Amino acid sequence: QLQLQESGPGLVKPSETLSLSCTVSGGSISSSSHYWGWIRQPPGKGLEWLGSVHYSGSTYYSPSLMSRVTISVDTSKNHFSLKLTSVTATDTAVYYCATHLGDIVGGPFDPWGQGTLVTVSS
Amino acid sequence: QSALTQPRSVSGSPGQSVTISCTGTSSDVGGYNYVSWYQQYPGKAPKLMIYDVSRRPSGVPDRFSGSKSGNTASLTISGLQAEDEADYYCCSYAGSYTFDFGTGTKVTVL
Repeated sequence: QLQLQESGPGLVKPSETLSLSCTVSGGSISSSSHYWGWIRQPPGKGLEWLGSVHYSGSTYYSPSLMSRVTISVDTSKNHFSLKLTSVTATDTAVYYCATHLGDIVGGPFDPWGQGTLVTVSS
Repeated sequence: QSALTQPRSVSGSPGQSVTISCTGTSSDVGGYNYVSWYQQYPGKAPKLMIYDVSRRPSGVPDRFSGSKSGNTASLTISGLQAEDEADYYCCSYAGSYTFDFGTGTKVTVL
């Protein structure tokens, strides 16, 4: 049974880069059948898909954030990472990692990590 | 890419049925049979309840069902129970390997 766990700084300064990792247990991140994604949720607001990655390195990004988001895979550590540049207070959110159930085309998100709150503030 | 539209809240008494709508466009909900629904309790991660419009993952009660007509998908909870009180989000594949989430609906059990 796959389990995912986010980690990274809980506080980031404005204009800096937000960096998070998601460690996968119970399975290999190099599985050809799995795609890995990041979703965020500002306090009191809805969910927003940020992007997804395949272990091969193929990446898929939200058009609205594409210029600031990078998602990558580290197979040696069995984890994948999120980098979001030039952050502002509007990037304050709980960040979740998740895996796609099935293919990237249409594959729903299951399971999810527990989420980690990142606050952007000086 | 934009958020799918859901009602802000719906409510019902125990045992009743409630339906949550999720309205998109022909580029997302109407264009693909890849709508999923998530249940989220306060402070917790979302949980997959329905995928591919109407399929239930193992372990999800059959009180939860999904459907779609045109650009609108729906989640119906039959025989409402106190434990169903939560936020619910829809999500649709939107082509070009992208996904749109709904605005979210709070379900209240009266």
